[in-house]
Amino acid sequence: KNQVEQSPQSLIILEGKNCTLQCNYTVSPFSNLRWYKQDTGRGPVSLTIMTFSENTKSNGRYTATLDADTKQSSLHITASQLSDSASYICVVWGQAGTALIFGKGTTLSVSS
Amino acid sequence: DGGITQSPKYLFRKEGQNVTLSCEQNLNHDAMYWYRQDPGQGLRLIYYSQIVNDFQKGDIAEGYSVSREKKESFPLTVTSAQKNPTAFYLCASSIRGNRNTEAFFGQGTRLTVV
Repeated sequence: KNQVEQSPQSLIILEGKNCTLQCNYTVSPFSNLRWYKQDTGRGPVSLTIMTFSENTKSNGRYTATLDADTKQSSLHITASQLSDSASYICVVWGQAGTALIFGKGTTLSVSS
Repeated sequence: DGGITQSPKYLFRKEGQNVTLSCEQNLNHDAMYWYRQDPGQGLRLIYYSQIVNDFQKGDIAEGYSVSREKKESFPLTVTSAQKNPTAFYLCASSIRGNRNTEAFFGQGTRLTVV
């Protein structure tokens, strides 16, 4: 069964610290993986996309990695800010004609 | 501006009533999706449609119905058969068959049964 598992379920860090979120997937065949940020009560917004041939991609303070062999991805946030408090969702797309598969997300809380 | 619009933002329904949530997109996307989100849980797929006049059940379709008569519109009806309809509902759309496919989301509808 195609699945996407994220860890940890929730995380609390101090402002200015770094953190890493994990995503493991069993989707096959694999086309791409996206990380989304969802603020409370809002729709998710894409942070970055990783395709099969890409290992690392950065978007400002966000850096995503992908290991297609082990089917793992991570999202690293550097110098966290209070506005980073949100849910981060890993979404994997397998092949044409199928629906996107969502992880349950990691809830990040950044405190001052 | 291109985008995806859900309405209303907040919706209240009496038990036993059907209610329809609207989702409209002007991105010329073929695929549209409906997800449900409960507190502390991730997004769960209700229905999706890859093309006009065709749609598929997701993981939690019971108690819901959809239609796709137009490319731009994918309304979701929450029927009285849905036992626990209070939740946050998200609609999304995407291009079909593209390796860089991205789902664009609406801002959600929060449904409360009173």
